[in-house]
Amino acid sequence: DIVMTQGALPNPVPSGESVSITCRSSKSLLYSDGKTYLNWYLQRPGQSPQLLIYWMSTRASGVSDRFSGSGSGTDFTLKISGVEAEDVGVYYCQQGLEFPLTFGSGTKLEIK
Amino acid sequence: EVQVLESGGGLVQPGNSLKLSCATSGFTFSTAWMYWYRQFPEKRLEWVARIKAKSNNYATDYTESVKGRFTISRDDSKSSIYLQMNNLKEEDTAIYYCAWSSGVMDAWGQGASVTVSS
Repeated sequence: DIVMTQGALPNPVPSGESVSITCRSSKSLLYSDGKTYLNWYLQRPGQSPQLLIYWMSTRASGVSDRFSGSGSGTDFTLKISGVEAEDVGVYYCQQGLEFPLTFGSGTKLEIK
Repeated sequence: EVQVLESGGGLVQPGNSLKLSCATSGFTFSTAWMYWYRQFPEKRLEWVARIKAKSNNYATDYTESVKGRFTISRDDSKSSIYLQMNNLKEEDTAIYYCAWSSGVMDAWGQGASVTVSS
């Protein structure tokens, strides 16, 4: 199985500051079609996960342009430019390259 | 608006069975690939099962720990999927989420809580 490893944030983060959440996969997520199958999800308190980023860097419909995804085949970053109160929650990376689909352990964001 | 709604969760003793249902609306269900995920009490997320569409012969996949115990199925006439869970174990205790994913869009339900305990 592909193992997803996420980094932590120095919580709490001051409102308006920019943060980067890191994720690493044990296998390259770059597929032969040129797409990198890495998703980012946000789970707000008391809610189910929602898709933020797919194919490593494409924002899902309705997602603020304060969120951006980047990376290589195995190392990925989710950047939040100017964190706001509504960004509080746990961020998960997920690989969609092969089954079983696997998630990182999550990165919690708290705002000061 | 896409809607996904799970039902059927509850408290069950080890070794017993439970069936979750998931009703959907707002997208073309008949061509959708549908998923079950679960979130353990410690917040770890795990993919559980997937069922493809009729055009893919309703092919199914399962995570290793539930193979032979869980069965995912669908009823296109009701835009619904199901998860039959047999021989439940305490480690199956989790919130179970039904989800639609097209690769570029997805929608998850609010979750159904399953507790396996004697």
